[in-house]
Order: sequence, then C-alpha cells, then structure tokens
Amino acid sequence: GQQVMQIPQYQHVQEGEDFTTYCNSSTTLSNIQWYKQRPGGHPVFLIQLVKSGEVKKQKRLTFQFGEAKKNSSLHITATQTTDVGTYFCAGLWGGSNYKLTFGKGTLLTVNP
Amino acid sequence: NAGVTQTPKFQVLKTGQSMTLQCAQDMNHNSMYWYRQDPGMGLRLIYYSASEGTTDKGEVPNGYNVSRLNKREFSLRLESAAPSQTSVYFCASSSTLMEKLFFGSGTQLSVL
Repeated sequence: GQQVMQIPQYQHVQEGEDFTTYCNSSTTLSNIQWYKQRPGGHPVFLIQLVKSGEVKKQKRLTFQFGEAKKNSSLHITATQTTDVGTYFCAGLWGGSNYKLTFGKGTLLTVNP
Repeated sequence: NAGVTQTPKFQVLKTGQSMTLQCAQDMNHNSMYWYRQDPGMGLRLIYYSASEGTTDKGEVPNGYNVSRLNKREFSLRLESAAPSQTSVYFCASSSTLMEKLFFGSGTQLSVL
C-alpha cells in the first residue's frame, strides 16, 4: 500500500534551536496533513496543505508542500519546551485508495 | 463541548475474551474512524465510516468489527482478543472524509 516516509525518527534539541521534520511519498498526494501528539496525549490536527508549493505559517511553525506534491516539511523556529511531542504527517491520495495514512512520526525533545 | 469521547480509558483482557470500545462525538461530523497506535508504527487505520450507515476496512481490519450505531456513535469490537491486539486505540471523527480529524483521548488495551 501507499506510505509516507518520515524522518528523522527522533530529534533532540536545545531550547532556542530550530527543528525540521520531513515527509516523503513515492507518488503524488492529494493533500498532506500534520498532527501533533503530546506525550501521553492524543493527536491534534495542526494544518492541511493542498496546493503544489504551498507554504503556511502558524507562529513559529512553517509548513511546506513540495512542487510535485510528493514531499512536505514542518519547520519550528526557536523551539520551546512546549513544542515537545511527536509530529506526524499524514498523506491522502486520490482514487480508489482514499485513506489517510500516517507517517511513523518524529519525536521532538527539547532541553531547557 | 466534549468533542470525541472514548470509553473505557484502560482495559486488560485475557486472550480469547471479547470487548467493545465505545466512541461518541458531539460535533455533528459525518465520518468516524478507529486507529491503533503501536510503538514505532505510527497510527494505522482499522476501520472507518464515511457516513451514517456505511463502514469500510482500513489498513489493519483483521480481528475487529465495527458498528456505526447512529451519526454520533461508532463502536469497535474485538470478538476474541489476541496479544497482538495490545495497543492504544484512538477513535476520531471529521466533517469531511479523511480530512482534519479530531481524536478522542484513547483506550489503552492490554491482552494477556
């Protein structure tokens, strides 16, 4: 089946450093969604990207969708301890296999 | 506004026992989902219901059954639990199929 590959699996940063996680699909996506899960919590929707080359910002978070709609990234500027958690991308393909498929996530830890 | 409510929060079963996980949403969403989350595996779709009266298999449906009782409620049943079904189960709902999912707080299930 279709998959989204997400890297890195883990990232540890000092507070104030930047952080980036990447997602990649071998085939063109209809859209890509990003979710955050705090330790012991449930996934929370952050954003959805639909258009080729789309860039969206939420305060210190910047989300990008590649021109070919096969890859995406989430960049956090100047991390804070509140950013700790696992960030998941989730890809949606069109056609008969219309199911939202999650990447395995990137666990971000922040040292204060 | 409760959002998505799952019960129970924790459950321990013996191999071969059956149980039903309950899920209800109060956001008038059309679509509902059951995911399981295992360490290092991300979130995997078990079953989903695009709208009231319909259910479809996801990525890992074997060993599970679902019932869309009405627009608000979507239950997941394990007929004969196996240790491989030890996992955290999340129910989710959305207004548009496969987009912007709202998750419940999860059920931690252990099968001994």
